[in-house]
Amino acid sequence: ETGVTQSPTHLIKTRGQQVTLRCSSQSGHNTVSWYQQALGQGPQFIFQYYREEENGRGNFPPRFSGLQFPNYSSELNVNALELDDSALYLCASSRSATRGADTQYFGPGTRLTVL
Amino acid sequence: AQSVTQPDIHITVSEGASLELRCNYSYGATPYLFWYVQSPGQGLQLLLKYFSGDTLVQGIKGFEAEFKRSQSSFNLRKPSVHWSDAAEYFCAVGGNTDKLIFGTGTRLQVFP
Repeated sequence: ETGVTQSPTHLIKTRGQQVTLRCSSQSGHNTVSWYQQALGQGPQFIFQYYREEENGRGNFPPRFSGLQFPNYSSELNVNALELDDSALYLCASSRSATRGADTQYFGPGTRLTVL
Repeated sequence: AQSVTQPDIHITVSEGASLELRCNYSYGATPYLFWYVQSPGQGLQLLLKYFSGDTLVQGIKGFEAEFKRSQSSFNLRKPSVHWSDAAEYFCAVGGNTDKLIFGTGTRLQVFP
C-alpha cells in the first residue's frame, strides 16, 4: 500500500509569483485535505476535496485554490504569493468525507519559501 | 469557538521517565480526537485516535491517551520515554466535516 506522497519537497519563489503543489493520495482514499503549517505553529486547514469537488474550506483567501483529479490526486495552487505564505504545506488523505470524521494520513509536506 | 489548547510549549524529560502531554479542546459536537507526532522537517504520523467507546485508547510506540469528556481533555501518556520519542506532538479535534483543528504543539526533548 502506497502512502501519501507530495511534490516537490522544497520550493523557493518570489513575491507575486504563482505556485502549484501536488499530492497523491493513499491507495483506496478518495478525500484529500490541505493544511498550511507556519513555523512554530500547528497545521491550519485550507480546504478539502472529495470526488473532485471542494468539500469545505478554511479561512484562506481565494488566491488559494485547488483541484482533485479522477485518480484522487490533488493540486494546491497559490497565486500572487506573499511573504506570509512561506510555510510547510501538508496534504492528507482519508477514505471518505461522507463517513464523518475519518483518520487522515499525512504526506511529508512541501516546504515553500517566498522571498 | 472550536479550538485545541496544548498548554505546554516545551517539555524536557529524562530517558526512562514517564510522560504526560496535555490537551484540552473546545468543540460543539461529538469530538473525534487525535494525537500526531512530527519529527523535524517531516509530515505528521498518527499516534492514536478516539472516536467512541473505551475512553482509554492505545496507540503506536507505547503511547496511550485518555478521553475525559467532563474535563474536555485528551492527554497523551507514555510510561517510559525513549530518546527516539523526541519530536513535536500535536493534538487535533475533528467532527463530521473531517476538517482537523490542531493545537500549537508540544516540543518534547529527551535527555539521556
